[in-house]
Amino acid sequence: DVKVTQSSRYLVKRTGEKVFLECVQDMDHENMFWYRQDPGLGLRLIYFSYDVKMKEKGDIPEGYSVSREKKERFSLILESASTNQTSMYLCASSLSAGHTYFGPGTRLTVT
Amino acid sequence: AQSVTQLGSHVSVSEGALVLLRCNYSSSVPPYLFWYVQYPNQGLQLLLKYTTGATLVKGINGFEAEFKKSETSFHLTKPSAHMSDAAEYFCAVSDGRGKLIFGQGTELSVKP
Repeated sequence: DVKVTQSSRYLVKRTGEKVFLECVQDMDHENMFWYRQDPGLGLRLIYFSYDVKMKEKGDIPEGYSVSREKKERFSLILESASTNQTSMYLCASSLSAGHTYFGPGTRLTVT
Repeated sequence: AQSVTQLGSHVSVSEGALVLLRCNYSSSVPPYLFWYVQYPNQGLQLLLKYTTGATLVKGINGFEAEFKKSETSFHLTKPSAHMSDAAEYFCAVSDGRGKLIFGQGTELSVKP
């Protein structure tokens, strides 16, 4: 069974902390994505990667960075967490135009 | 650039009634179109997708959608709603490389 796993389901951090959200896929997919989901706004693309060590900005990259050192792992970094980054974060992976698989999500609260 | 608009953030139907969730897209390239469903406290699950070929696409749980290029639409339908269909539904468009652009979502309620 294909799988995208995220390091935490729930996370509580303080304003100004550096936050790492980890995502691992076991399907040998080239493409990986980070989205945030907010009520009424749907899912918005933060960053994506089509290959190892490659990254591209999505629609809302401000305040975030990413790292992809290995094909199976894609990390989202909040350099200095702020309360407006409280959200559900979803990682996904895919092979070109095929099925995109989503992880279970990490609900991050920044206080 | 690609974009998706879902008409209606909340739709309520009676059990057994027709479900119609509307989605319009904008794309400068031939689009790949998707519907995803998210049940409460669960992740996203693919309902159906259109890539090429037949414009009427059948998905899981009795849902189907029709790609209408002239109307730039990809509406989701189900002939008879069931209580278990209550969930949030997302329409998405892709350029074919896996990057998905989502609509705002439509929450479907089913009344007994």
